[in-house]
Amino acid sequence: QSVLTQPPSVSAAPGQKVTISCSGSSSDFGNSYVSWYQQLPGTAPKLLIFENNKRPLGIPDRFSGSKSGTSATLDITGLQTGDEADYYCGTWDSNLSSGLFVFGSGTKVTVL
Amino acid sequence: EVQLVESGGGLIQPGGSLRLSCAASGFTLSSYAMDWVRQAPGKGLEWVSYMSSGGNTKYYADSVKGRFTISRDNAKNSLFLQVNSLRAEDTAVYFCAREGNGYAFDYWGRGTLVTVSS
Repeated sequence: QSVLTQPPSVSAAPGQKVTISCSGSSSDFGNSYVSWYQQLPGTAPKLLIFENNKRPLGIPDRFSGSKSGTSATLDITGLQTGDEADYYCGTWDSNLSSGLFVFGSGTKVTVL
Repeated sequence: EVQLVESGGGLIQPGGSLRLSCAASGFTLSSYAMDWVRQAPGKGLEWVSYMSSGGNTKYYADSVKGRFTISRDNAKNSLFLQVNSLRAEDTAVYFCAREGNGYAFDYWGRGTLVTVSS
């Protein structure tokens, strides 16, 4: 099973922007949707982005996602201290017979 | 309000078995695909298993195939994960999650901790 590659950590000052990349192989991304999850310390993951770039109700537009080819990106603008968390991308392997969902390796966001 | 509550974790010896439960409320379990995801201490998320809304399609991660079995009880609106032949590397918090639009996990439980140790 493959793992999507994310930078281990990113950081920025409050109010600034961070970008988290998520790279995979064509079999990972293919035509599959990418989703993004935020995990605050000691809590369950929370859905931030689905279908590459859509936000669930209640997720602020400071969070935005995109996908191109074999990579995806999560942008967080207007960084806040409450955004300090681990962030994971994820997608279904486009080789449908395997039925595998793969998560990224995770990125820790630090607000300086 | 959608809620998922896991239970059934605990300390178990290598080779042992447990049955993890996920009680759903606020929605009908059989109307959604459901998954189990785990997280080893200090590690990232690992997808474990999937069950379709119809219940007839099930998938497993290679690391648990042949040892774990996903099931559900529609009358109890609950999802289960039977975990057998446990190994130290199965030690993790196990989350159940509902699949929503775009096959994303839109609701998660708080998880139940399984510790495999002698």
